[in-house]
Amino acid sequence: KAGVTQTPRYLIKTRGQQVTLSCSPISGHRSVSWYQQTPGQGLQFLFEYFSETQRNKGNFPGRFSGRQFSNSRSEMNVSTLELGDSALYLCASSRDPDGNEQFFGPGTRLTVL
Amino acid sequence: LAKTTQPISMDSYEGQEVNITCSHNNIATNDYITWYQQFPSQGPRFIIQGYKTKVTNEVASLFIPADRKSSTLSLPRVSLSDTAVYYCLARGYNKLIFGAGTRLAVHP
Repeated sequence: KAGVTQTPRYLIKTRGQQVTLSCSPISGHRSVSWYQQTPGQGLQFLFEYFSETQRNKGNFPGRFSGRQFSNSRSEMNVSTLELGDSALYLCASSRDPDGNEQFFGPGTRLTVL
Repeated sequence: LAKTTQPISMDSYEGQEVNITCSHNNIATNDYITWYQQFPSQGPRFIIQGYKTKVTNEVASLFIPADRKSSTLSLPRVSLSDTAVYYCLARGYNKLIFGAGTRLAVHP
Protein backbone atom coordinates (compact mmCIF):
# COMPACT_ATOMS: atom_id res chain seq x y z
CA LYS A 1 0.00 0.00 0.00
CA ALA A 2 1.47 3.36 -1.00
CA GLY A 3 2.32 5.76 1.80
CA VAL A 4 1.55 9.44 2.17
CA THR A 5 3.01 11.42 -0.69
CA GLN A 6 3.83 15.10 -0.68
CA THR A 7 4.73 17.31 -3.59
CA PRO A 8 6.97 19.03 -4.21
CA ARG A 9 9.70 17.70 -1.94
CA TYR A 10 11.75 20.89 -2.13
CA LEU A 11 10.76 24.45 -2.92
CA ILE A 12 12.55 27.77 -2.97
CA LYS A 13 10.52 30.98 -2.94
CA THR A 14 11.15 34.65 -2.24
CA ARG A 15 9.50 36.88 0.32
CA GLY A 16 6.05 38.05 -0.66
CA GLN A 17 5.32 35.12 -2.95
CA GLN A 18 2.70 32.50 -2.27
CA VAL A 19 3.06 28.73 -2.31
CA THR A 20 0.79 25.69 -2.56
CA LEU A 21 1.81 22.33 -1.17
CA SER A 22 0.04 19.08 -1.96
CA CYS A 23 -0.59 15.92 0.05
CA SER A 24 -2.05 12.62 -1.08
CA PRO A 25 -3.09 10.44 1.86
CA ILE A 26 -2.96 6.68 2.10
CA SER A 27 -5.83 5.09 0.20
CA GLY A 28 -8.86 4.83 2.46
CA HIS A 29 -7.69 7.52 4.87
CA ARG A 30 -10.06 10.44 5.12
CA SER A 31 -8.27 12.55 7.72
CA VAL A 32 -5.33 14.76 6.77
CA SER A 33 -3.31 16.94 9.13
CA TRP A 34 -0.60 19.47 8.38
CA TYR A 35 2.37 20.37 10.57
CA GLN A 36 5.23 22.84 10.39
CA GLN A 37 8.60 21.71 11.68
CA THR A 38 11.45 24.11 12.41
CA PRO A 39 14.60 23.71 14.52
CA GLY A 40 13.47 26.45 16.88
CA GLN A 41 9.77 25.67 17.32
CA GLY A 42 9.69 21.93 16.72
CA LEU A 43 6.55 20.31 15.36
CA GLN A 44 3.60 22.64 15.32
CA PHE A 45 0.09 21.73 14.28
CA LEU A 46 -1.38 23.75 11.42
CA PHE A 47 -4.79 22.24 10.66
CA GLU A 48 -6.70 19.03 10.26
CA TYR A 49 -9.28 18.06 7.66
CA PHE A 50 -11.78 15.24 7.60
CA SER A 51 -14.22 14.65 4.77
CA GLU A 52 -13.45 18.06 3.24
CA THR A 53 -14.16 19.90 6.52
CA GLN A 54 -11.59 21.62 8.69
CA ARG A 55 -11.93 20.12 12.16
CA ASN A 56 -9.03 21.71 14.01
CA LYS A 57 -6.76 24.67 13.48
CA GLY A 58 -3.50 25.60 15.20
CA ASN A 59 -2.26 29.05 16.12
CA PHE A 60 -1.02 30.26 12.76
CA PRO A 61 -1.87 33.51 10.97
CA GLY A 62 -4.50 33.66 8.27
CA ARG A 63 -1.78 33.55 5.61
CA PHE A 64 -1.81 29.81 6.17
CA SER A 65 -4.82 28.07 4.71
CA GLY A 66 -5.77 24.65 3.51
CA ARG A 67 -8.45 22.57 1.93
CA GLN A 68 -9.36 19.00 1.28
CA PHE A 69 -10.90 17.56 -1.83
CA SER A 70 -13.51 14.86 -2.22
CA ASN A 71 -10.80 12.27 -2.93
CA SER A 72 -9.20 13.20 0.45
CA ARG A 73 -6.20 14.83 -1.18
CA SER A 74 -5.27 18.05 0.58
CA GLU A 75 -3.48 21.26 -0.22
CA MET A 76 -2.11 23.96 1.98
CA ASN A 77 -1.39 27.47 0.85
CA VAL A 78 0.85 30.11 2.35
CA SER A 79 0.46 33.63 1.03
CA THR A 80 2.81 36.60 1.37
CA LEU A 81 5.72 34.42 2.38
CA GLU A 82 8.07 35.56 5.14
CA LEU A 83 11.59 34.40 5.90
CA GLY A 84 10.28 32.70 9.04
CA ASP A 85 8.05 30.45 6.96
CA SER A 86 11.11 28.45 5.94
CA ALA A 87 10.44 25.02 7.37
CA LEU A 88 9.65 21.40 6.71
CA TYR A 89 5.91 21.03 6.13
CA LEU A 90 4.61 17.62 7.02
CA CYS A 91 1.34 16.02 6.10
CA ALA A 92 -0.13 13.07 7.99
CA SER A 93 -3.13 10.92 7.22
CA SER A 94 -5.25 8.60 9.29
CA ARG A 95 -8.38 6.57 8.73
CA ASP A 96 -10.42 8.81 10.98
CA PRO A 97 -9.50 11.84 13.07
CA ASP A 98 -10.01 10.71 16.65
CA GLY A 99 -7.28 8.87 18.51
CA ASN A 100 -5.94 6.93 15.57
CA GLU A 101 -2.46 6.33 14.26
CA GLN A 102 -1.23 9.00 11.88
CA PHE A 103 1.07 8.17 8.99
CA PHE A 104 3.41 10.96 7.99
CA GLY A 105 4.70 11.85 4.56
CA PRO A 106 8.33 12.78 3.90
CA GLY A 107 7.53 16.49 3.99
CA THR A 108 8.10 19.47 1.74
CA ARG A 109 11.17 21.53 2.53
CA LEU A 110 10.30 25.18 1.88
CA THR A 111 13.04 27.78 1.79
CA VAL A 112 12.09 31.46 1.65
CA LEU A 113 14.80 33.82 0.50
CA LEU B 1 -4.95 23.49 26.59
CA ALA B 2 -2.64 20.52 27.13
CA LYS B 3 1.11 21.21 27.10
CA THR B 4 3.68 18.46 26.81
CA THR B 5 7.20 18.57 28.25
CA GLN B 6 9.94 16.03 27.65
CA PRO B 7 13.73 15.91 28.18
CA ILE B 8 15.78 17.48 25.42
CA SER B 9 18.24 14.62 25.12
CA MET B 10 19.19 11.22 26.50
CA ASP B 11 22.13 8.88 26.06
CA SER B 12 22.13 5.12 26.26
CA TYR B 13 24.12 2.08 25.23
CA GLU B 14 23.21 -0.83 23.03
CA GLY B 15 21.19 -3.49 24.80
CA GLN B 16 19.92 -1.20 27.55
CA GLU B 17 16.30 -0.32 28.26
CA VAL B 18 15.46 3.33 27.70
CA ASN B 19 12.59 5.16 29.37
CA ILE B 20 11.53 8.57 28.09
CA THR B 21 8.98 10.48 30.14
CA CYS B 22 6.61 13.14 28.90
CA SER B 23 4.70 15.44 31.22
CA HIS B 24 1.32 16.66 30.04
CA ASN B 25 -0.50 19.11 32.25
CA ASN B 26 -4.21 19.86 31.83
CA ILE B 27 -4.72 16.72 29.84
CA ALA B 28 -8.40 16.20 29.14
CA THR B 29 -10.30 13.00 29.81
CA ASN B 30 -10.57 12.21 26.11
CA ASP B 31 -6.91 12.88 25.23
CA TYR B 32 -4.81 10.06 23.86
CA ILE B 33 -1.03 10.03 24.21
CA THR B 34 0.93 9.05 21.13
CA TRP B 35 4.66 8.65 20.62
CA TYR B 36 6.52 9.10 17.36
CA GLN B 37 10.08 8.46 16.21
CA GLN B 38 11.80 10.68 13.68
CA PHE B 39 15.01 10.19 11.76
CA PRO B 40 16.74 13.03 9.92
CA SER B 41 15.08 14.01 6.64
CA GLN B 42 12.07 11.79 7.31
CA GLY B 43 8.58 12.34 8.63
CA PRO B 44 7.72 11.06 12.14
CA ARG B 45 6.85 7.40 12.43
CA PHE B 46 4.16 6.09 14.81
CA ILE B 47 5.49 4.01 17.70
CA ILE B 48 2.66 3.52 20.17
CA GLN B 49 -0.52 5.11 21.51
CA GLY B 50 -2.38 4.80 24.78
CA TYR B 51 -5.09 6.25 26.94
CA LYS B 52 -4.33 4.83 30.39
CA THR B 53 -2.41 2.08 32.20
CA LYS B 54 -0.05 0.10 30.00
CA VAL B 55 0.09 -0.61 26.30
CA THR B 56 2.66 -2.86 24.66
CA ASN B 57 3.43 -3.63 21.04
CA GLU B 58 6.30 -5.30 19.25
CA VAL B 59 8.65 -2.33 19.59
CA ALA B 60 7.76 -0.46 22.78
CA SER B 61 5.65 -0.13 25.90
CA LEU B 62 3.75 2.89 27.07
CA PHE B 63 2.96 3.50 30.71
CA ILE B 64 0.34 6.06 31.72
CA PRO B 65 -0.36 6.41 35.47
CA ALA B 66 -3.84 6.84 36.88
CA ASP B 67 -3.60 10.64 37.08
CA ARG B 68 -2.54 10.73 33.40
CA LYS B 69 -0.29 13.72 34.00
CA SER B 70 2.67 11.93 32.48
CA SER B 71 3.50 9.02 30.24
CA THR B 72 6.64 6.94 29.81
CA LEU B 73 7.80 5.38 26.58
CA SER B 74 9.91 2.31 27.24
CA LEU B 75 12.23 0.95 24.55
CA PRO B 76 13.63 -2.47 25.47
CA ARG B 77 17.19 -3.36 24.49
CA VAL B 78 17.93 -0.39 22.23
CA SER B 79 20.26 -0.68 19.27
CA LEU B 80 22.26 1.89 17.33
CA SER B 81 19.38 2.20 14.86
CA ASP B 82 17.15 3.56 17.64
CA THR B 83 19.16 6.79 17.61
CA ALA B 84 16.48 9.31 16.69
CA VAL B 85 14.25 12.05 18.07
CA TYR B 86 11.19 10.87 19.99
CA TYR B 87 8.07 13.00 20.28
CA CYS B 88 5.07 12.65 22.54
CA LEU B 89 1.75 14.01 21.32
CA ALA B 90 -1.32 14.84 23.36
CA ARG B 91 -4.22 14.29 21.08
CA GLY B 92 -7.85 15.00 21.73
CA TYR B 93 -10.66 16.82 20.08
CA ASN B 94 -9.42 20.26 19.00
CA LYS B 95 -5.99 19.67 20.53
CA LEU B 96 -2.84 18.39 18.88
CA ILE B 97 0.19 19.31 20.98
CA PHE B 98 3.62 17.87 20.25
CA GLY B 99 6.40 17.87 22.81
CA ALA B 100 9.68 19.46 21.78
CA GLY B 101 11.22 16.06 21.22
CA THR B 102 13.86 13.98 23.00
CA ARG B 103 17.04 13.31 21.07
CA LEU B 104 18.13 9.78 21.97
CA ALA B 105 21.71 8.81 21.22
CA VAL B 106 22.55 5.11 21.48
CA HIS B 107 26.25 4.34 21.83
CA PRO B 108 28.06 1.07 21.07
